[in-house]
Amino acid sequence: GEDVEQSLFLSVREGDSSVINCTYTDSSSTYLYWYKQEPGAGLQLLTYIFSNMDMKQDQRLTVLLNKKDKHLSLRIADTQTGDSAIYFCAPAQGGYQKVTFGTGTKLQVIP
Amino acid sequence: DAGITQSPRYKITETGRQVTLMCHQTWSHSYMFWYRQDLGHGLRLIYYSAAADITDKGEVPDGYVVSRSKTENFPLTLESATRSQTSVYFCASSAGQGNYNEQFFGPGTRLTVL
Repeated sequence: GEDVEQSLFLSVREGDSSVINCTYTDSSSTYLYWYKQEPGAGLQLLTYIFSNMDMKQDQRLTVLLNKKDKHLSLRIADTQTGDSAIYFCAPAQGGYQKVTFGTGTKLQVIP
Repeated sequence: DAGITQSPRYKITETGRQVTLMCHQTWSHSYMFWYRQDLGHGLRLIYYSAAADITDKGEVPDGYVVSRSKTENFPLTLESATRSQTSVYFCASSAGQGNYNEQFFGPGTRLTVL
């Protein structure tokens, strides 16, 4: 099965950029998702990138995909206290509806 | 209200008891999923269903049973609860159209097995 690795914790100061990294093993992943989980809640889709793209920008969010190295990153510009949450990398298996979630990275934003 | 709901939100039970967690969605999504969330493990897939009466095992199915007689409901049963099943359980659904498959999550059920 797919293995998806993330660092468990990241701390940044308000206004700085945050970069959350993810490595995965299944090269057939088609869509690669980032989900956000706020305290006490379920996950919500934050953004995604299709496997034929290298970069996707969505307001303060930038997703970078390096297919050769199977590395995905999420950059949050001008990080705010409301961005404090757990972020999950979730590559989808090609042709299937299943995704494999990473361990999640807890982002702490210091005012 | 439209969306995906889970009940109960919190449950405390004892080892050996049977427990059923409920999940209901109003979108008529084809796919439904059960995950458990544990520190250091992220979300792990327990079971999923592609349609009514079609279910399949995920990564950690042992000790769990599912059924899906109606498209909108996907209950998860712990046949004989163990302490290792103490976790937060999330139900999710997706429309299942093509390769894009955003999953919509319920609020979770926090289960404690004593």
